[in-house]
Amino acid sequence: GAVVSQHPSRVICKSGTSVKIECRSLDFQATTMFWYRQFPKQSLMLMATSNEGSKATYEQGVEKDKFLINHASLTLSTLTVTSAHPEDSSFYICSAPPDRGLIGYTFGSGTRLTVV
Amino acid sequence: AQSVTQPDIHITVSEGASLELRCNYSYGATPYLFWYVQSPGQGLQLLLKYFSGDTLVQGIKGFEAEFKRSQSSFNLRKPSVHWSDAAEYFCAVGNQGGKLIFGQGTELSVKP
Repeated sequence: GAVVSQHPSRVICKSGTSVKIECRSLDFQATTMFWYRQFPKQSLMLMATSNEGSKATYEQGVEKDKFLINHASLTLSTLTVTSAHPEDSSFYICSAPPDRGLIGYTFGSGTRLTVV
Repeated sequence: AQSVTQPDIHITVSEGASLELRCNYSYGATPYLFWYVQSPGQGLQLLLKYFSGDTLVQGIKGFEAEFKRSQSSFNLRKPSVHWSDAAEYFCAVGNQGGKLIFGQGTELSVKP
């Protein structure tokens, strides 16, 4: 089946530094990748949609300059949290629909970001 | 506006008892509906999905869900809960474009 590999699973960084999260589609081509954020005990909120070969689309209220998204190839999308602050600490999850017309919404395993 | 409501934030059931998790949605078109399960600190695992056809959908781990258009509901059921089912459950609605809208989640606890 379709698999999305997300790394790292956990990261701790200092305030002011940047963190990159990668999502790779292992056995299919992901022309689209969705990035979600989940605060403790809350639901998943869509942050942005990345598309291979074009600019990402951000949801209302999400800072484009803070959350940089790059969809470098058909199998790789990255989310970079720039100048991280403690309030950016969250669980970030990516999701891709398989490219075979089957809407399976495969999810990565998530990245727990802690900013200290 | 598109939305998903899971009325129950937390449910506790005894092991072996039946389970029903509620999900109501508001969507302008024919919805694609999903149930996901999430264990602490983990990603999401798809339990089942509904696109069209038979309104009773069978999923993994013995779960099923029934789509009721007249009630805008997609409730998740399991006849006999196991302790390993304790987790967070999310209902979601989406479209062919791939964007999902999630409910608030229902935390399931299982009593021995």
